[in-house]
Amino acid sequence: DAKTTQPTSMDCAEGRAANLPCNHSTISGNEYVYWYRQIHSQGPQYIIHGLKNNETNEMASLIITEDRKSSTLILPHATLRDTAVYYCIVRVVSFGNEKLTFGTGTRLTIIP
Amino acid sequence: DTAVSQTPKYLVTQMGNDKSIKCEQNLGHDTMYWYKQDSKKFLKIMFSYNNKELIINETVPNRFSPKSPDKAHLNLHINSLELGDSAVYFCASSQGARLSSEQYFGPGTRLTVT
Repeated sequence: DAKTTQPTSMDCAEGRAANLPCNHSTISGNEYVYWYRQIHSQGPQYIIHGLKNNETNEMASLIITEDRKSSTLILPHATLRDTAVYYCIVRVVSFGNEKLTFGTGTRLTIIP
Repeated sequence: DTAVSQTPKYLVTQMGNDKSIKCEQNLGHDTMYWYKQDSKKFLKIMFSYNNKELIINETVPNRFSPKSPDKAHLNLHINSLELGDSAVYFCASSQGARLSSEQYFGPGTRLTVT
């Protein structure tokens, strides 16, 4: 199973870009990188996912290195509501079915 | 309208009791999941159902029995509750069981066993 490594916590000033790194050096060629976040006391929320190319949606951008061993989630203009735990996940296959395996994540705090 | 709903939101009960948590999704998805988040905040999948058929069972004790009466519902019944069952349980759904399908999570049910 491809494992991910994320910093335990990060701070970012409100209005600035928040860059959250993730290492996944054992990722396989056909495994996707997913990002979810969990705001305090709520269920996890899907943010974005990608395979090789960089991806952007209304919430964030995902930059994946060419060797795919690491990626960065970018929240372009962080707000206080972006304070949450952010999980970087790679696909795990279980008996032919796919499942999300959540790690410990990065606790992002947006500072006013 | 809530996409994935769970009831109850809070559940306090004594050891040895049997309890159920209900989950409903109105997204028209065909795959539903149960996750457990323990006191250390680790979030782990327990079960996954696709079209009412069990496709993932993560070595959960057989005291836990999921039941899917239809594609929109996945209930979790727990027998003989133990202290270690205290956690927040999240239901989720997706269209298809492939990971390219994003999962939508419910608000969680906080279970406390005393």
